[in-house]
Amino acid sequence: DSGVTQTPKHLITATGQRVTLRCSPRSGDLSVYWYQQSLDQGLQFLIQYYNGEERAKGNILERFSAQQFPDLHSELNLSSLELGDSALYFCASSAPGAQETQYFGPGTRLLVL
Amino acid sequence: QQQVKQSPQSLIVQKGGISIINCAYENTAFDYFPWYQQFPGKGPALLIAIRPDVSEKKEGRFTISFNKSAKQFSLHIMDSQPGDSATYFCAASISNFGNEKLTFGTGTRLTIIP
Repeated sequence: DSGVTQTPKHLITATGQRVTLRCSPRSGDLSVYWYQQSLDQGLQFLIQYYNGEERAKGNILERFSAQQFPDLHSELNLSSLELGDSALYFCASSAPGAQETQYFGPGTRLLVL
Repeated sequence: QQQVKQSPQSLIVQKGGISIINCAYENTAFDYFPWYQQFPGKGPALLIAIRPDVSEKKEGRFTISFNKSAKQFSLHIMDSQPGDSATYFCAASISNFGNEKLTFGTGTRLTIIP
């Protein structure tokens, strides 16, 4: 158990809908990273937050957004969902001074029908 | 743009044998190279990591070999066990605040047979 928690574990929704994925980092970690894992694209970095502020952005679609709250939990919002958004979404966290060492949560499996 | 290339895609090794997975990178700014192990339905778990100032790092049965001039690094699993059957990902990042995102290889599905 990495100490990173994610909810829900599974999510099934329809095209055009909006969903919110939640992540709680390990105690003491200030950075949260979101990654998408799909069969065709592999593990891809989406976005990073550090202590409430956006720090880096990767291949994140405009339909996707994220935020990190004062209690350091983070939410990834996916809107206008398409079939191709079906994937595993992972959150990772890292500690100050050891940012590169990232610990992953169990993921949320999203299925868009 | 595939910045970290991983091979082989799949690997079958007999129990007790040595499993070797290779990765090559392009960006010379990368200075942190972790390996992750992922079981079906689980998140990637950090296995071992290396920085380019050393050529080898060993933790138990797992060893990373690093060749900075060739821009290559590899994972060796000694005395491979059925419980090692999983997908392994190499990754690379830059230890610079705001650049620590991990760039992953495409993964290697390792199967250890009795």
